[in-house]
Amino acid sequence: NAGVTQTPKFQVLKTGQSMTLQCAQDMNHEYMSWYRQDPGMGLRLIHYSVGAGITDQGEVPNGYNVSRSTTEDFPLRLLSAAPSQTSVYFCASIRDRGSNSPLHFGNGTRLTVT
Amino acid sequence: RKEVEQDPGPFNVPEGATVAFNCTYSNSASQSFFWYRQDCRKEPKLLMSVYSSGNEDGRFTAQLNRASQYISLLIRDSKLSDSATYLCVVPTGGGNKLTFGTGTQLKVEL
Repeated sequence: NAGVTQTPKFQVLKTGQSMTLQCAQDMNHEYMSWYRQDPGMGLRLIHYSVGAGITDQGEVPNGYNVSRSTTEDFPLRLLSAAPSQTSVYFCASIRDRGSNSPLHFGNGTRLTVT
Repeated sequence: RKEVEQDPGPFNVPEGATVAFNCTYSNSASQSFFWYRQDCRKEPKLLMSVYSSGNEDGRFTAQLNRASQYISLLIRDSKLSDSATYLCVVPTGGGNKLTFGTGTQLKVEL
């Protein structure tokens, strides 16, 4: 199993550009989520999904869209990048939220918006 | 009150020392808790889960105090390799969300 795979690892965008951060897991996990991590702020939940076709907002959803068309994939879209979105982004999954299982993280995407 | 609060540190301790971190949470309905370890510029990795009063794994002990709504992490005989940021994680939002504390930085020195 590859676990949780995130691409790209690094990305530089100009203000106003759009892009999609990819996240895929091969563990048949129901729950997937996106976090951003900024200095002094810890990890903050952007969006999450409890299963295919179901998504919900986390703590900081503005400026981001998600979809969950399959169990395996949970892409994060930035429609019009802003410098405030410069951050490290982590995708994470759990088998299911009721199992008390730990989060499995991807390696992260380091995004810079200029 | 924040949903999850941690002392950011840094905690600078000599090798071999015992060090403890606390994490307070606001949701009294939370049932399970986690400590994650994060090395610089890496993804967080699970260190310990806490479901009842506590859990022990080698040099690491996690304890839960439901009455005062905090969990603690105790590290005995600190090693240089223990230097990292330790993140407290608590289920919130009816259990569908996992909220992270900002982390406590530990530096173990010779």
